[in-house]
Amino acid sequence: EVQLVESGGGLVQPGRSLKLSCAASGFTFSNYGMAWVRQTPTKGLEWVASISTGGGNTYYRDSVKGRFTISRDNAKNTQYLQMDSLRSEDTATYYCARQDYYSGDDWYFDFWGPGTMVTVSS
Amino acid sequence: DIQMTQSPASLSASLGETVTIQCQASEDIYSGLAWYQQKPGKSPQLLIYGASSLQDGVPSRFSGSGSGTQYSLKISSMQTEDEGVYFCQQGLKYPLTFGSGTKLEIK
Repeated sequence: EVQLVESGGGLVQPGRSLKLSCAASGFTFSNYGMAWVRQTPTKGLEWVASISTGGGNTYYRDSVKGRFTISRDNAKNTQYLQMDSLRSEDTATYYCARQDYYSGDDWYFDFWGPGTMVTVSS
Repeated sequence: DIQMTQSPASLSASLGETVTIQCQASEDIYSGLAWYQQKPGKSPQLLIYGASSLQDGVPSRFSGSGSGTQYSLKISSMQTEDEGVYFCQQGLKYPLTFGSGTKLEIK
């Protein structure tokens, strides 16, 4: 059974940092791309970042480029999201998701973790 | 960025009724479209990928169709457990983008 479990969320002041982790099990982690997706009541679902199987390719939404870093450790079956210079607008539930593709350039998220809440506030 | 516009924002349906949710992309996404269901307090679950391929374990009353910029999700016979919020997502180009969601309730 595929399982993804996020950790590391919490309350943090604006400008500070936080690192999220996602522990994966039930599948060959190194065979899949991974992603972070966040959700708020006002903005809905927002893709944040993706990483390729080996970690050599990373992708970010513009609003987090230069502030967030996605990474993975295939030996530990874990992916990470380092979030620096946090802003109030980064407040959201952050989901870890397994990313798969269909016929080439068609990316989707076939398994999601339960999410971890990040609140950026003074 | 590719914008995804979903409609309607909400709807209510009777048990056994056929329900259709629409999703329009701001440009051709060549069937790179996925649908998700989200229940309160839970994470989204994949229903459909590649516009029309049913994810393993998803009931066959769910189906997806469409091409170009226009896509739809159909529930052929509404069940109680189908209540929730449904999202579409384009997977063709980064940034991957989602629709704003359709809240489906039992009438």
